Amino acid sequence: DAKTTQPPSMDCAEGRAANLPCNHSTISGNEYVYWYRQIHSQGPQYIIHGLKNNETNEMASLIITEDRKSSTLILPHATLRDTAVYYCIVRVSGNNNAGNMLTFGGGTRLMVKP
Amino acid sequence: EPEVTQTPSHQVTQMGQEVILRCVPISNHLYFYWYRQILGQKVEFLVSFYNNEISEKSEIFDDQFSVERPDGSNFTLKIRSTKLEDSAMYFCASSAFGELFFGEGSRLTVL
Repeated sequence: DAKTTQPPSMDCAEGRAANLPCNHSTISGNEYVYWYRQIHSQGPQYIIHGLKNNETNEMASLIITEDRKSSTLILPHATLRDTAVYYCIVRVSGNNNAGNMLTFGGGTRLMVKP
Repeated sequence: EPEVTQTPSHQVTQMGQEVILRCVPISNHLYFYWYRQILGQKVEFLVSFYNNEISEKSEIFDDQFSVERPDGSNFTLKIRSTKLEDSAMYFCASSAFGELFFGEGSRLTVL
C-alpha cells in the first residue's frame, strides 16, 4: 500500500471547518483513499473513502485532487467531540482474499478549541 | 446500528500467563482482524482472518499468538506466555468488503 504524509497536528476553532491534508504521491490507480479517526483510546472509526471523485457523507467531505496525489478531509463544522487523531490511509479495496488490512501511520492530531 | 463487541474491556494478568481476548464481529462480515496499540504508539496490524484461516499476518504475530473462530459468532486472540511488552490495547475489526469496523478494544496489562 502507498504511504501517506500528514501534518502531525492541527488546531481548529469550534464551529469552523477543519481541513486536514494528506499527501499520497505514490498512489496507484487501484488504490482508494480512506480516512479514519481515533478519539482518545477508542477503536478507530471509519469516516469516508474515495477513489477519484469527491465524496460526502454525514460526517465529512473528501476532496481528491485530479492527479490523485493528495486529498483533503473536510469537517464542515468542527465540534469539540471531533478532537481526535485522523488517519489518511491508501489501500486497494476488495482485493482478493487478503483481508483488506489497513496500515496506520502517525495521523494528524486535530485539536478543536472553543 | 451493528457493531463489533470485545470482551473483556480490561484484563490484568501476570507475566507468563495465557490470555484470551474475545470479539464478536458484525454478523454478515467475512473478514476479521486483530490490531494492537501500545500506549502512545501507532495502531499496528497483527493478523487478518478469512474463510477460517489466516490470510495475512505481521511480524509481530509470532508463535506466541493464535486466532480462532470457535463458532459462528466469536473471533478470539490467544496470547500465550504473556510478556510485559504485550501490554497494549487490542482492537478487533471486521469488514464485508470495504471499510473496517473496529471494536472499542481490550486493554491488556501484564504485570
